[in-house]
Amino acid sequence: DGGITQSPKYLFRKEGQNVTLSCEQNLNHDAMYWYRQDPGQGLRLIYYSQIVNDFQKGDIAEGYSVSREKKESFPLTVTSAQKNPTAFYLCASSMGTSTYTFGSGTRLTVV
Amino acid sequence: KQEVTQIPAALSVPEGENLVLNCSFTDSAIYNLQWFRQDPGKGLTSLLLIQSSQREQTSGRLNASLDKSSGRSTLYIAASQPGDSATYLCAAHNNAGNMLTFGGGTRLMVKP
Repeated sequence: DGGITQSPKYLFRKEGQNVTLSCEQNLNHDAMYWYRQDPGQGLRLIYYSQIVNDFQKGDIAEGYSVSREKKESFPLTVTSAQKNPTAFYLCASSMGTSTYTFGSGTRLTVV
Repeated sequence: KQEVTQIPAALSVPEGENLVLNCSFTDSAIYNLQWFRQDPGKGLTSLLLIQSSQREQTSGRLNASLDKSSGRSTLYIAASQPGDSATYLCAAHNNAGNMLTFGGGTRLMVKP
């Protein structure tokens, strides 16, 4: 079945550590996105990519980095520069302006 | 910059009630308006997508309307059931750039 796979489901980060969240899709979608969700709030866009080897900053890109070397993959790195990384991270993909498909999310906690 | 607002933030109703969730957006230059459902700790599931040229879309007990000129969309849920309990998010797909701007969501509780 086609879909988006995010891993891991839970992730713990120590102070000053970089961590990478995985997002893989087999829907043949061109565009992929990373959103952050804080408790009781909507989603805020971190980065998005409309094509391989190209990506754009969203509203809250500071402290995050991404790569898009393959159409299927769009990993997100949370760097030590992100001072408040504890949140629920959602990856999504779409074909143009059509319906978005979301992964099941990664919950990141700073310990 | 597009801003999307959802009212109310939370809603609790008895089973069987018809209910309306509201969504407003500040920039009417949109491709489409999408409604999603999110269960606790899960990703989002797409419910309805209304193109900018459309007035409404229906799927089962759900009906979503769009009024671009007033910057509003509503999600109507008929004969609510406990299984409808979830957070409902609306999102506007902007003309400028290929991205969605989300509202803060309405947390719905349907009591049996």
